[in-house]
Amino acid sequence: SYVLTQPPSVSVAPGQTARITCGGNNIGSKSVHWYQQKPGQAPVLVVYDDSDRPSGIPERFSGSNSGNTATLTISRVEAGDEADYYCQVWDSSDAVFGGGTKLTVL
Amino acid sequence: QVQLVQSGAEVKKPGASVKVSCKASGYTFTSYGISWVRQAPGQGLEWMGWISAYNGNTNYAQKLQGRVTMTTDTSTSTAYMELRSLRSDDTAVYYCARGLNWGWYDYWGQGTLVTVSS
Repeated sequence: SYVLTQPPSVSVAPGQTARITCGGNNIGSKSVHWYQQKPGQAPVLVVYDDSDRPSGIPERFSGSNSGNTATLTISRVEAGDEADYYCQVWDSSDAVFGGGTKLTVL
Repeated sequence: QVQLVQSGAEVKKPGASVKVSCKASGYTFTSYGISWVRQAPGQGLEWMGWISAYNGNTNYAQKLQGRVTMTTDTSTSTAYMELRSLRSDDTAVYYCARGLNWGWYDYWGQGTLVTVSS
């Protein structure tokens, strides 16, 4: 089965840029979607199809995907961005989620 | 506005079954599918499967094949997920999410906590 690898944690100071990676075999050939989940809440879609943003998601959130790594980039990080982030792809007929990355805003 | 409203928390004994509902509103129910995703305490997201609200076609995660059934009722715009032969490691928050097959999940239910304990 297809495996998506995310770092367990990323820390960044307010105003700086956070980059959260999602590794997978030839992930660049797949569409990657990203979700933000705050404690006690349902996930929220923040990026779809590698780099598109749903309405209502700030432009500070962007995505890229190439080779074996997809990246979610959060610019000008705010305290409210502190959350768990999950990447997701489809492999064969199954949806696959990464293990999640906890973003801490210092 | 699009909403997915799930049924309330459940406590079940090992070996029992649970059926969780997800009532959709604010969009044409049959134009999308519904996936079910669960999250064990302190753990990540696990995809359980997907059902087309248009024709009822399903696609289940291999590890749950034979224990899970997903259905829809188009007359009430409600999706259901039944999980049988419950074990303690099925204890989790279960989410429904709107999406197309092979796509992303743009709206999620609030989650339903299912606790399996003797």
